[in-house]
This record gives sequence, structure tokens and C-alpha cells, in this order.
Amino acid sequence: DTAVSQTPKYLVTQMGNDKSIKCEQNLGHDTMYWYKQDSKKFLKIMFSYNNKELIINETVPNRFSPKSPDKAHLNLHINSLELGDSAVYFCASSLGLAGGPQSRQFFGPGTRLTVL
Amino acid sequence: GQQLNQSPQSMFIQEGEDVSMNCTSSSIFNTWLWYKQDPGEGPVLLIALYKAGELTSNGRLTAQFGITRKDSFLNISASIPSDVGIYFCATTGNTPLVFGKGTRLSVIA
Repeated sequence: DTAVSQTPKYLVTQMGNDKSIKCEQNLGHDTMYWYKQDSKKFLKIMFSYNNKELIINETVPNRFSPKSPDKAHLNLHINSLELGDSAVYFCASSLGLAGGPQSRQFFGPGTRLTVL
Repeated sequence: GQQLNQSPQSMFIQEGEDVSMNCTSSSIFNTWLWYKQDPGEGPVLLIALYKAGELTSNGRLTAQFGITRKDSFLNISASIPSDVGIYFCATTGNTPLVFGKGTRLSVIA
């Protein structure tokens, strides 16, 4: 009964390939997020979806495309992978967007992406 | 964008010592959260604070929401080896969470 799950846990691939990371939450939350954590462990938000609608799209290359087929899922597709894409990618979810208890985010276990 | 100043960046302490870390901001917020990230895992929520001045404990952890609404601290008492990890503060007002850059805690047995 994992709250936020991601697959795969590890992803090793060659430069130029296209790959996807999947995320699912069973918390009944309306909002989901993708974060990138670099080698310095900074958590950088990439995207946020609320009720399947994109609401945050930080400065991320358009090679990254999120897709939310329903409220419980937010997948991340990456085209033409580059060396600099190597990082740990975290999915998270929350009840709502801003302020108060609804803003508490719950994180998945992360996907470690290594681009060779 | 909003910036949080989290300090210290890293700490090396002896087992049994108390630990204190804090976050400050130039903006006013209505929520402060503290997370811990174990190696190879995702961040886990430790404590949530919603009111200025609020002081909340979770076992050996205590966190406070600053009265100015621009800062928060986290204390860990009597540290143990499993306290090792990265601690993140996060805050929000009317936007999604903004995270601090983390405090990396190492505990020497």
C-alpha cells in the first residue's frame, strides 16, 4: 500500500535515447509534481499538475514532457537524453497547491537516471 | 523566485549531541514543513507547522514556526546514528512549496 510509487527505480541509458518514468499515487490527491535532484542534492521543481492540468512548468528543456492520464498518475517522458539529465527524479503529490495542510507533499522513492 | 536560506549546509556531530538547524526567508509564509531524506530514498515529512509561534514535537524532534513568519528551526535532541541524512525545510504562502538547499547531518558514533 505504497502511497507514491515510481518506476523504474534505476534507469541507465545511452545519450540520445528516449525514456519514460512513471508515477502513481493512491492518496486521492489532486496535485502531482516532478522534481529533479542533482548531485548537490538540491530539489528543483520541474512540473506540477492539478486535476490533470499543467500549472507549473519551470525552465525545463522541452525534451521533457509530462503526461497525466488521470489524477492518480503523472508520467515523465524525456526525449534525446543528454549527459546533464543524469540525476534523481522524484515524483510527489499533495491534496492541493498552496498553504496549510493541503500543501504537504508526499514523495516517491525516486528514479536514479544515468545517461552514458 | 522565492529563496530560502537554510543553515548550516552540513554538520558533523557526536552521537548523543543535540542538533539545531534553521531556515530563513525574506518573505512571509503561512506554512513551514521539515523533511528528512535518507540515502537512496525520497524525502519524508517530519513536522508541519501552520501558525506563527507554533512549536511542535515529533519524538526527539522539535520545530518552531517563527513569530515573524519568515523563519523556522528544527532541533534534534540526543542524536543517534539513524538521524544521518539530509534535512530540508520547505515553505509556502500562496504558491507550491519552496525547498531549502538542505542540511546534511552526519553522526559519529
